[in-house]
Amino acid sequence: RKEVEQDPGPFNVPEGATVAFNCTYSNSASQSFFWYRQDCRKEPKLLMSVYSSGNEDGRFTAQLNRASQYISLLIRDSKLSDSATYLCVVNKANYQLIWGAGTKLIIKP
Amino acid sequence: EPEVTQTPSHQVTQMGQEVILRCVPISNHLYFYWYRQILGQKVEFLVSFYNNEISEKSEIFDDQFSVERPDGSNFTLKIRSTKLEDSAMYFCASSAGQGRQPQHFGDGTRLSIL
Repeated sequence: RKEVEQDPGPFNVPEGATVAFNCTYSNSASQSFFWYRQDCRKEPKLLMSVYSSGNEDGRFTAQLNRASQYISLLIRDSKLSDSATYLCVVNKANYQLIWGAGTKLIIKP
Repeated sequence: EPEVTQTPSHQVTQMGQEVILRCVPISNHLYFYWYRQILGQKVEFLVSFYNNEISEKSEIFDDQFSVERPDGSNFTLKIRSTKLEDSAMYFCASSAGQGRQPQHFGDGTRLSIL
């Protein structure tokens, strides 16, 4: 099993729709989880940290399911500018971050 | 908002030459990192640095690579005797702490080995 696994997509979604994707991780001792977004040929940018209780930032909601070892990202009322690759990032027990390969999202007008 | 800055944005080098990639982390951050991303592939951890020494490194970070914090602001990655497969985007990142402290990335240096 890969340390961090994501559906590569692409997810093709009409503007205004809601989209969700998951990320599974293999290390049950992981404590820190993040979602980053990366635009083509740009640096990863932090979207949000993921907390045990789940957290929301505007149109974005992140959830953590420790029992099943996955985190999720929900985007509501999607905008054209949300088109990007979304990277799931999980720490190993020694704090080294492991990056998923990313899920590509394309928002269509 | 403070940011991580990297120079140069693009470096073209002949195979076998040495390159130094430079980074200025966010000023109050204590942990520094280098990552690379080969075109079309995922971000790969290279090394983390804290308190003037390497705290962790990956299998990729072999004797060809070294890092240094020569002064209070710069953090450099040196690649000796570059190979074609070293061509990639190299990202520097910094964080205030580890664990739940997120890492903030620079714009990256595109390294092209000819």
